[in-house]
Amino acid sequence: GNSVTQMEGPVTLSEEAFLTINCTYTATGYPSLFWYVQYPGEGLQLLLKATKADDKGSNKGFEATYRKETTSFHLEKGSVQVSDSAVYFCALPGGKGGKLIFGQGTELSVKP
Amino acid sequence: ETGVTQTPRHLVMGMTNKKSLKCEQHLGHNAMYWYKQSAKKPLELMFVYNFKEQTENNSVPSRFSPECPNSSHLFLHLHTLQPEDSALYLCASSQDLVSWDRLYNSPLHFGNGTRLTVT
Repeated sequence: GNSVTQMEGPVTLSEEAFLTINCTYTATGYPSLFWYVQYPGEGLQLLLKATKADDKGSNKGFEATYRKETTSFHLEKGSVQVSDSAVYFCALPGGKGGKLIFGQGTELSVKP
Repeated sequence: ETGVTQTPRHLVMGMTNKKSLKCEQHLGHNAMYWYKQSAKKPLELMFVYNFKEQTENNSVPSRFSPECPNSSHLFLHLHTLQPEDSALYLCASSQDLVSWDRLYNSPLHFGNGTRLTVT
């Protein structure tokens, strides 16, 4: 079945640093890929998505490119802010309808 | 406002208590989900409902009992829980189980969760 692996955290960066959170997947076919973000004390919310190979999803300065050659969907941001401190989850559909498979989450902490 | 509201936000209960978690969505969605989020573990899908019918139960112990009276409301009834059941319980909804797979919109909308502590 489909699965996703993302880098372990926590990741600690200084403000304005460059961010990369790695995500790789195994899947049947070419499913859409997602990044979700969970801010402290909140549920998950969709950050960005890509629906086909070579698509680039972007939102709030974050970007991720769907690369089928490397089966990756790494999350990047050129200059992080303290407000970006959160847990980030890579996800893809798996199994029967209604099931979204999440990675284990990567905690990001940005220091001023 | 996420469109998915969970109550209570925090719950402390003893192992012999019976309590219920409530989830309500105002998005007109037809599918609803319960997830369990424990520290250091991946999100665990517990139950899926589509048009009020349960479509998935991921081997969840019977001390967790879901109820979906209509497409807008979802409950999780708890009884004789164990300390290891302490976690953040997240409710989510999606348009339905078919269309989200085409992924033109956010497939899942989450509530802010109920932080459960079992003593």
